[in-house]
Amino acid sequence: DADVTQTPRNRITKTGKRIMLECSQTKGHDRMYWYRQDPGLGLRLIYYSFDVKDINKGEISDGYSVSRQAQAKFSLSLESAIPNQTALYFCATSDPQGETETQYFGPGTRLLVL
Amino acid sequence: AQSVTQLDSQVPVFEEAPVELRCNYSSSVSVYLFWYVQYPNQGLQLLLKYLSGSTLVKGINGFEAEFNKSQTSFHLRKPSVHISDTAEYFCAVSDLGTASKLTFGTGTRLQVTL
Repeated sequence: DADVTQTPRNRITKTGKRIMLECSQTKGHDRMYWYRQDPGLGLRLIYYSFDVKDINKGEISDGYSVSRQAQAKFSLSLESAIPNQTALYFCATSDPQGETETQYFGPGTRLLVL
Repeated sequence: AQSVTQLDSQVPVFEEAPVELRCNYSSSVSVYLFWYVQYPNQGLQLLLKYLSGSTLVKGINGFEAEFNKSQTSFHLRKPSVHISDTAEYFCAVSDLGTASKLTFGTGTRLQVTL
């Protein structure tokens, strides 16, 4: 079984709809991240969480919110989706006590906003 | 704040030829450096990382990279590529002051052909 899972893997939605992308991990890591990937732009950090009570904005947090329901779960919400949020979204985890600074990525969620 | 530049968006190469993927970074403090690989329809996987010590770092699948502080570079090399190395490669940096927050380059697509 994969250590970092994302659901759904693909999603098509309409402008103005609220959607949630979910991430679960079995690695026991405290730190979790959400990135978006756009062609030619690489990965950009949306939000990150260093533990259940810690939420931080990343480089491009506008239009997004997150929830850290448990150590193993970190959800990303688009309150009112817009077409320029069409992208590939990745969740990642890391362990500050373990292998230094290595992030482990999920398989990604491909989102299309019409 | 740090930044990463990957000058080559695409690198075509024949199988069994050597390859170098270039990465330059900018930071006012000491950094950790990483190379990640993304195979088609998959998440990112760590290839190698530089944290400290020897400037020549060896990773998985026969890849290696050399940290050059004076040139602020961390180029990735492989002496003989295989078709299966076709993928997108991302260089990333985190600085010691903001550990666990990665800044990614825009990626280099390595296309290996017969």
